[in-house]
Amino acid sequence: GQNIDQPTEMTATEGAIVQINCTYQTSGFNGLFWYQQHAGEAPTFLSYNVLDGLEEKGRFSSFLSRSKGYSYLLLKELQMKDSASYLCAVRVPNDYKLSFGAGTTVTVRA
Amino acid sequence: GAVVSQHPSRVICKSGTSVKIECRSLDFQATTMFWYRQFPKQSLMLMATSNEGSKATYEQGVEKDKFLINHASLTLSTLTVTSAHPEDSSFYICSADRGTTEAFFGQGTRLTVV
Repeated sequence: GQNIDQPTEMTATEGAIVQINCTYQTSGFNGLFWYQQHAGEAPTFLSYNVLDGLEEKGRFSSFLSRSKGYSYLLLKELQMKDSASYLCAVRVPNDYKLSFGAGTTVTVRA
Repeated sequence: GAVVSQHPSRVICKSGTSVKIECRSLDFQATTMFWYRQFPKQSLMLMATSNEGSKATYEQGVEKDKFLINHASLTLSTLTVTSAHPEDSSFYICSADRGTTEAFFGQGTRLTVV
């Protein structure tokens, strides 16, 4: 099976930066995804990494190290609307399905 | 971007009845769709892979006779929860893949069995 770990909860202040770590042990690797999910809603796509390095997209950045089985999602200039669950997911070769971590609930405080 | 539509968004049914949930890819053809279940404060758990024109592939521990999946066309997959019980109450989400890097999710269906 696939093992994907991320912290359960994180709290940060509005305007600050938060880094959500994700470690994975999977039977192969064909990409890592980050999704944002607000309560009662479907996940929305944030980022995709398949090569090592940092991908920046506005206030959100995602980093991948395949040799370490490690990724992080960096949220900058936090806003109240960023309070949500952030899901790390891995795709393995020859398979379209995603294996999800348990999700990290981020709470942004004023 | 690609749109996946899921219907209904909420449904309440009586114990013992069946409920059908539809997942449509609106602007692309999806040979493969996925059905997930999510309990409160938990992550998405893959239930099954829906393959157009063939039988669905179920994950270990998912009862195929209880969760019937039909993928009759390239734009529609349906999940039917048969003989629903209160423990089946959950958030069900579908996703569709068109061979790109991103999976597109439906809006989700909140099922409550009373």
